[in-house]
Amino acid sequence: ELKVEQNPLFLSMQEGKNYTIYCNYSTTSDRLYWYRQDPGKSLESLFVLLSNGAVKQEGRLMASLDTKARLSTLHITAAVHDLSATYFCAVHSLKAAGNKLTFGGGTRVLVKP
Amino acid sequence: GAGVSQSPSNKVTEKGKDVELRCDPISGHTALYWYRQSLGQGLEFLIYFQGNSAPDKSGLPSDRFSAERTGGSVSTLTIQRTQQEDSAVYLCASSWNPTNEQFFGPGTRLTVL
Repeated sequence: ELKVEQNPLFLSMQEGKNYTIYCNYSTTSDRLYWYRQDPGKSLESLFVLLSNGAVKQEGRLMASLDTKARLSTLHITAAVHDLSATYFCAVHSLKAAGNKLTFGGGTRVLVKP
Repeated sequence: GAGVSQSPSNKVTEKGKDVELRCDPISGHTALYWYRQSLGQGLEFLIYFQGNSAPDKSGLPSDRFSAERTGGSVSTLTIQRTQQEDSAVYLCASSWNPTNEQFFGPGTRLTVL
């Protein structure tokens, strides 16, 4: 059974500082996704990571994938208030779980001035 | 272009009643997914449709839950004899094919009194 674990569950950030969210998964993955969810809103796609060593960056967010360690990280550089949201990683593994996405529990991020 | 749409956005019902939730996927997307987001369980897969293939119903929590997809487009998720534990946000997603990125709709917030 594919399991996806995120940590921390909650992250209180200070503006201007750097932070990392971790996503571990239990079996081989085909694709790994990062989503952002604002309160009361749906999921917004941030990154899709396909292969070992993949790194993608958008603004202050950078995601990376290590398939050997079964680990993805979402790094936030110089946090700003607008980044306050809940972040989810999700794994697509056809072999382990078919065509559905298996989600981590989410990391609630609150950026304080 | 238009994204995934869902209706209603909010639904309040009494325990024991049946409800229908609707999803309009992005035009041309062959794969359609239903997920449920609740406080205690996080984001859970419910059911997946791909073209004319038999749906993957492995995530449906009980036989009170059913879904259909007519004409390869619109999907309806039906919950019969609703229970309080069915209260959640029901999210629909679609993708070009099962290996492509899933795009999520705004969700239907279901409250069972």
